[in-house]
Amino acid sequence: AQSVTQPDIHITVSEGASLELRCNYSYGATPYLFWYVQSPGQGLQLLLKYFSGDTLVQGIKGFEAEFKRSQSSFNLRKPSVHWSDAAEYFCAVVLVYNTDKLIFGTGTRLQVFP
Amino acid sequence: ETGVTQSPTHLIKTRGQQVTLRCSSQSGHNTVSWYQQALGQGPQFIFQYYREEENGRGNFPPRFSGLQFPNYSSELNVNALELDDSALYLCASSEGLSNTEAFFGQGTRLTVV
Repeated sequence: AQSVTQPDIHITVSEGASLELRCNYSYGATPYLFWYVQSPGQGLQLLLKYFSGDTLVQGIKGFEAEFKRSQSSFNLRKPSVHWSDAAEYFCAVVLVYNTDKLIFGTGTRLQVFP
Repeated sequence: ETGVTQSPTHLIKTRGQQVTLRCSSQSGHNTVSWYQQALGQGPQFIFQYYREEENGRGNFPPRFSGLQFPNYSSELNVNALELDDSALYLCASSEGLSNTEAFFGQGTRLTVV
């Protein structure tokens, strides 16, 4: 079935540690890929996006993501997490042939310990 | 340049009632999309409006309806509210039909009791 999968529901890291959030997609063609962040009670903020070209994408707040076609993955990374990074993170896709909507994964909740 | 604003931020309704949620799109954007985010879930696409016409709809029943006005602001209407309609409703605006550059509002938290 076509889907966006975020295997980790909840991740806990210490402040200053590195972070990797996983995202896999299952579509026939490579979709456009996005990572959004949602702080409690807030809307969604775009961290970064990938359409084509360089497979390592830089975003805001020190985040980056790497597209791996062979693994149908688009994992989000940050070398050193700050306490303010605690939030819910959503991977999303837009299908190239149907760009009228974002399709979201179920999210990963990030908790940061001091 | 103003961002996407939604109103109200919170509301409580009784099962069977009707509700209207509002969204003002970002300046220069002519497309508004609505999403429902149930607790612990990712947002689910409800529908999209482009230049006052519905353009694309997700798997939601007809009691979910919408409007887009000439200034590109939008309303989401839900009739005959059910308990399962309790969710955060998010509005996103973009320029043109593609959602490759969508900006989200802070959402409206609807609780149905």
